[in-house]
Amino acid sequence: SQQGEEDPQALSIQEGENATMNCSYKTSINNLQWYRQNSGRGLVHLILIRSNEREKHSGRLRVTLDTSKKSSSLLITASRAADTASYFCATDFPLMDSSYKLIFGSGTRLLVRP
Amino acid sequence: GAVVSQHPSRVICKSGTSVKIECRSLDFQATTMFWYRQFPKQSLMLMATSNEGSKATYEQGVEKDKFLINHASLTLSTLTVTSAHPEDSSFYICSASTTGGRRAFFGQGTRLTVV
Repeated sequence: SQQGEEDPQALSIQEGENATMNCSYKTSINNLQWYRQNSGRGLVHLILIRSNEREKHSGRLRVTLDTSKKSSSLLITASRAADTASYFCATDFPLMDSSYKLIFGSGTRLLVRP
Repeated sequence: GAVVSQHPSRVICKSGTSVKIECRSLDFQATTMFWYRQFPKQSLMLMATSNEGSKATYEQGVEKDKFLINHASLTLSTLTVTSAHPEDSSFYICSASTTGGRRAFFGQGTRLTVV
């Protein structure tokens, strides 16, 4: 099952521009995470934002969270060709053994043109 | 950061045969491992959650007899696709986390092609 939708599905920008990706989810959350996936590879964790946080920064990444709208956005500033990848949001759900399972959004494919 | 190794990265098999994919946490003990399936240009769909020494918990719609999961130790989980068919061709990814850990560490993925 998927937690929610991301938009846009695909985004093409010029190097140096900013890229904004949006994620909407369906149920209440504990945390929301963003991951990156290079083509044909595994996922790499980018950032986690807690449900009581509204904004978080990490280098060129800025994540916002609006729990009232059940949405989050990922902003990549001053994009580089190396940022070309798919980006997924994920919400975590607690399991009986104190671990968490992740449910992913539909993803945004970002292409940064040199 | 924590490293998860998935093997093989690519496999081609004939219809009707079984294929085993391994997922290892190299530098930490993974109390829980997860198996995902991903179709081209689509998101990751959680197939099952496995805990060391116990039966896997499968998501709705996933055939447990088709996709056998074994989590024999705190560092190894395996997914066996049994009696594979061309429609099982896909990208399979594992991830691992520690007890209480919200962040997941992913393997490199396995591209399965059934011919």
